[in-house]
Amino acid sequence: ETGVTQSPTHLIKTRGQQVTLRCSSQSGHNTVSWYQQALGQGPQFIFQYYREEENGRGNFPPRFSGLQFPNYSSELNVNALELDDSALYLCASSLGGEQPQHFGDGTRLSIL
Amino acid sequence: QQPVQSPQAVILREGEDAVINCSSSKALYSVHWYRQKHGEAPVFLMILLKGGEQKGHEKISASFNEKKQQSSLYLTASQLSYSGTYFCGTEIRTGANNLFFGTGTRLTVIP
Repeated sequence: ETGVTQSPTHLIKTRGQQVTLRCSSQSGHNTVSWYQQALGQGPQFIFQYYREEENGRGNFPPRFSGLQFPNYSSELNVNALELDDSALYLCASSLGGEQPQHFGDGTRLSIL
Repeated sequence: QQPVQSPQAVILREGEDAVINCSSSKALYSVHWYRQKHGEAPVFLMILLKGGEQKGHEKISASFNEKKQQSSLYLTASQLSYSGTYFCGTEIRTGANNLFFGTGTRLTVIP
């Protein structure tokens, strides 16, 4: 069984640029959640996708957007990057409902 | 919506016990516990649903007090492998599995 995979592992961007992060969910999982984890902090909920529809959003501005594909893989897009966007971005997949979320290893994004 | 965890950090000797607490100001539907080791992804430990049930996983168990909107994680006879940062994730919207995580409790187990 393949777990959650994220790409790329590391990324360096400059302020104002745009970035796309990718996530392949665990086999059979139809729900994908994205989190931002700053150093020394807990994961902060960005949004969740269930069967290609957004199913909940945290306190993040609209320049954070997402997409889920028919195979349940997902993308996180961030426009107009700011220095504070530097963080580890985690993707987690699940079967939805009261099921455990399984995390990928994350993408480390650095903004210069 | 972010829950509050306590303590922020704790150091144990092997074999000692610890309790980690998670409190929310909002009514909770469920509480999820994860452990994250440095440089790794969070790993699922257990889920507690509304109803105050207690769950166990090896020597790690947890309870959920629905009335107080609190959950506690109990680690007994700690092992070196228990070291890491423990996070509680709280769900306030029924069934949506949108989790809001606390700031974490760093647990260090020493020989």
